[in-house]
Amino acid sequence: DIQLTQSPSFLSASVGDRVTITCRASQGISSDLAWYQQKPGRAPKLLIYAASTLQSGVPSRFSGSGSGTEFTLTISSLQPEDFATYYCQQLIGYPLAFGGGTKVEIK
Amino acid sequence: EVQLVESGGGLVQPGGSLRLSCAASGFSFSGQHMNWVRQAPGKGLEWVAYISSGSGTIYYADSVKGRFTISRDNAKNSLYLQMNSLRAEDTAVYYCARDPDSSGYSSYYLDVWGKGTTVTVTS
Repeated sequence: DIQLTQSPSFLSASVGDRVTITCRASQGISSDLAWYQQKPGRAPKLLIYAASTLQSGVPSRFSGSGSGTEFTLTISSLQPEDFATYYCQQLIGYPLAFGGGTKVEIK
Repeated sequence: EVQLVESGGGLVQPGGSLRLSCAASGFSFSGQHMNWVRQAPGKGLEWVAYISSGSGTIYYADSVKGRFTISRDNAKNSLYLQMNSLRAEDTAVYYCARDPDSSGYSSYYLDVWGKGTTVTVTS
């Protein structure tokens, strides 16, 4: 089974900052990766799939890149509503696997 | 509006059983593959089970295999998770979530999620 490792687990940033989160896969998964955002007490929300395809309605300040074993989620200018926990997920097949999450908090 | 609404969560003793339901609306439920994903308190997301649109293919996480059963009733636009032999480590919020691909293949990502239902296993 594929394991996903996210880094950092926690980051503190200010409004307007550029933020980058990394997800590393235990084996190559081509571009088969998705990113989700989850706010406290809420369900996860799909942001990006196929490593770099923005889900409909997601602001363009979110972007994804990478292939193989290393992927990044970038928020170009952090907004107040972006403070949340972010998860990556592999799209190779079942069992689905999620990364451990990256919590983005206000500095 | 595309919507998933879970129900059936609650407090149960170790070894007990619970049946979760997920009511779908706003889309053609019978054409979509579905999943259950859970989140233990303060922890990350854990995929639990998958069922294809026609119920022909089913997968489980190793942690629930042999104890949980996923099923669906396309006539009722409903997804279910029968949970038996519950353990303390099954305590979590359980989400149903949709695979967006309606072509028969799986996309593997989850584009619509319910708000979740809470299961607490404690004596």
